[in-house]
Order: sequence, then C-alpha cells, then structure tokens
Amino acid sequence: QVQLVQSGTEVRKPGASVRLSCKASGYTFSGYFIHWVRQAPGQGLEWMGWINPNSGGTNFAPQFADRATISRDTSSSTGAMELTVFMYLRSLRLGDTAVYYCAREPLGILTPNLDYWGQGTLVTVSS
Amino acid sequence: VLTQAPGTLSLSPGERATLSCRASQEINSNYLAWYQQKPGQAPRLLIYGASSRATGVPDRFSGSGSGKDFTLSISGLEPEDFAVYFCQQYGSSRFSFGPGTKVDIK
Repeated sequence: QVQLVQSGTEVRKPGASVRLSCKASGYTFSGYFIHWVRQAPGQGLEWMGWINPNSGGTNFAPQFADRATISRDTSSSTGAMELTVFMYLRSLRLGDTAVYYCAREPLGILTPNLDYWGQGTLVTVSS
Repeated sequence: VLTQAPGTLSLSPGERATLSCRASQEINSNYLAWYQQKPGQAPRLLIYGASSRATGVPDRFSGSGSGKDFTLSISGLEPEDFAVYFCQQYGSSRFSFGPGTKVDIK
C-alpha cells in the first residue's frame, strides 16, 4: 500500500536549520511529484514546494524560494527501489513552528491534487 | 487567492452542509480540489477536478462550481464528518489553499 513515512519531531533555535525526510513506498515513484505543505498551530495549510523525483527539478512558493531546498535520494539497497525526499529549511524563525507534511501528486492527469499524505513532522523553533 | 465561507458551520448530524470556496480570479475547474482534516491527522483528499470524488470517499460528499465559485456539499452529516475542510487551487505550477471551514456539532 502507498506510504509516506516522515521523520520525527525536531526542535531548533532561531537561525538554525532543519532537514526533514519523507520515505515513499508502495507505488511507482516516477509517476508522482512529492510536495511539502506546512501547518502552523491552529492555522491553515501553506504550500511550500515540490520536487520531481525523476529529474530532481523543484518549484517553490515565493516565500520559501530563498530558504528552502528539496532533494531526493533513490537507492536499491534492499533490492527494491527506495525513494526518500528531503526538505531543508534554513534561517529558522519562530514563525516556522509548524507541522510539516509531505504529499504526493499524480502526474499526467488534468486535475492536480495531493492524493496521499505523510503523517507530518512537528518542527518547533524556540529560543 | 482563495477565500472560504463560512469560517465555522455549526450543524447537527443528519443535516446538509454547504461550504463555499471563492477564487479571486477565474480558475479552471480541473484545478480545484477539496480536503478534509480531522484533529491530529493529515489532510485527506475528498474531491478533485471540482466534482470528482477521490477513492473511498462516500457519495454524500459532492463538489460543484466553475469560474470563481465552488461548493462542497455534504448531504446528511455523519459524526465522522465534523472536521475542517480546505479548498486548494493549482496555477503556474504551484498550489495554494483556502483558509478552511470548520464544521462543528451544533
């Protein structure tokens, strides 16, 4: 079955950086982008950006373009293809405290959507 | 920019819910989706392409609309439907979300 399993809770001080991971399994990786979406406590959803796992190409919301990087690692150490996507956010601010989600977007369809989501990673930025 | 109304909708089980999502500019209806989020959980895709239900979504959920105005309807609220609902649009290779509508128990 489709799974997006994210890394665990992180705590950082302002000015620091954080790298989150999202391990995908149970589907053909080439058919989907991976997005990152965050949600501050009690707030709505904020789209951050996506990566094309095939090419490594990325696209970001303007407010994250200079602070965020998304990358991917594909391996076959277990005999099966594995995909892990990383989201790196630097120069953290108190306002970056949020739950960060990864989600996949099916490609080649006319109706863009995020059909499966990871469980979320809480990032707390505190002095 | 997407706006959603109302901010909170207080209804009783069995009642019909009608949630609005309005775009600041006309959008292709293929590019409008709806998600449900319960406390402590990740969002769940409900509707894509403005009116197509995602896999496993009960038929009491329906989406409609075009241009700037879109609607999510829930006919006969079940206890598990009390949640927050977000609309999402796609444009210029980017996604954006509305602020959400909370459906709570009256």
